[in-house]
Amino acid sequence: ETGVTQTPRHLVMGMTNKKSLKCEQHLGHNAMYWYKQSAKKPLELMFVYNFKEQTENNSVPSRFSPECPNSSHLFLHLHTLQPEDSALYLCASSRDDPDRKYGYTFGSGTRLTVV
Amino acid sequence: KQEVTQIPAALSVPEGENLVLNCSFTDSAIYNLQWFRQDPGKGLTSLLLIQSSQREQTSGRLNASLDKSSGRSTLYIAASQPGDSATYLCAVSKGTYKYIFGTGTRLKVLA
Repeated sequence: ETGVTQTPRHLVMGMTNKKSLKCEQHLGHNAMYWYKQSAKKPLELMFVYNFKEQTENNSVPSRFSPECPNSSHLFLHLHTLQPEDSALYLCASSRDDPDRKYGYTFGSGTRLTVV
Repeated sequence: KQEVTQIPAALSVPEGENLVLNCSFTDSAIYNLQWFRQDPGKGLTSLLLIQSSQREQTSGRLNASLDKSSGRSTLYIAASQPGDSATYLCAVSKGTYKYIFGTGTRLKVLA
């Protein structure tokens, strides 16, 4: 275990469904991230939260809605997704790091299939 | 815009070989570079992180080097084992909270 826990591990949803992905970190980090990993493409940064404030939204469609109620929990709410949204969704966290000595810690991901 | 390239995209070697994975980036103004390992369908496991002021980092059979001026990093794996089979990703950090990833090198070590 890395200290970053994602649930569920697998999710199959229809295009009209609403579901949520959850990420929880027990590392005392203050920043959390959502990344999307599609086949044969680099990881794409979706959202960044620092001390619960969203600091980056990387032109993500509105059918993806993030929520960060506190610095330990991060959600990704999904609604009316498209089949091309099927991917591995990864959550990561990091600490305040002015010396750049530390990097990201990732969760195991949620494999999402949209049917 | 920062772009990260990893060559080769796939590599298959017999057990016991020493091997080198390459990562190049277009903007040398980075804060650090991190190498990750990813097993199929799983998350990323951090292997090594090199700060921009450092030249290399070592952990066990792994050694990562960084040449910021030429925009390159290498990951050296000594005496490869079948358990090393995975995809290896490098990522560079330009901003405080932002990593840009390469597409990875898929390594297969044959027993």
